[in-house]
Amino acid sequence: SQQGEEDPQALSIQEGENATMNCSYKTSINNLQWYRQNSGRGLVHLILIRSNEREKHSGRLRVTLDTSKKSSSLLITASRAADTASYFCATDARKTSGSRLTFGEGTQLTVNP
Amino acid sequence: GAVVSQHPSWVICKSGTSVKIECRSLDFQATTMFWYRQFPKQSLMLMATSNEGSKATYEQGVEKDKFLINHASLTLSTLTVTSAHPEDSSFYICSASRGAGGFSYEQYFGPGTRLTVT
Repeated sequence: SQQGEEDPQALSIQEGENATMNCSYKTSINNLQWYRQNSGRGLVHLILIRSNEREKHSGRLRVTLDTSKKSSSLLITASRAADTASYFCATDARKTSGSRLTFGEGTQLTVNP
Repeated sequence: GAVVSQHPSWVICKSGTSVKIECRSLDFQATTMFWYRQFPKQSLMLMATSNEGSKATYEQGVEKDKFLINHASLTLSTLTVTSAHPEDSSFYICSASRGAGGFSYEQYFGPGTRLTVT
């Protein structure tokens, strides 16, 4: 079953604004990853944050992780029209059988020019 | 580096026929490959995990006789949808990982294959 739940399901903002997406999960994790997917295309890996990390930056992206609340957030600063896409969080609750990602439902971000 | 390709990118087939989708890691050896299915406006659902040279591990509810997975080499995995039905129409995405059993965290995703069964 899917354990990642994201909110909002859809977000529409103006170019230049910041976009924040949240992800909650239910079980213990080893790491949490954020992916981007343009319509009808494959996934692009954005950032990975390990369970012992609280915050990570990559360019205009900032990811936070609160393991006590079992939640993560993805912040995109100074958004651009090209950031329009679906964003998914995925949790890796590694078991002895190896890596296994469970994806959230995703947030559809629309950045209006 | 870490490029994964899929072929074909889209395919249309008739009900009752079988379709094979290939997933290749182009510049690295993929010990583990994963197959996902994504319906429109929904998330990715893991179908199965395959390690090179061994049988695939299927997720609960996924019919192993209908979705045949072969991972014969470190750079190629195939998914065959047998006796396809219109409800099998979906976007199929593969991913590949360098490690197995905990040696690698990152999965590299292919561009996906759009299957339409008429």
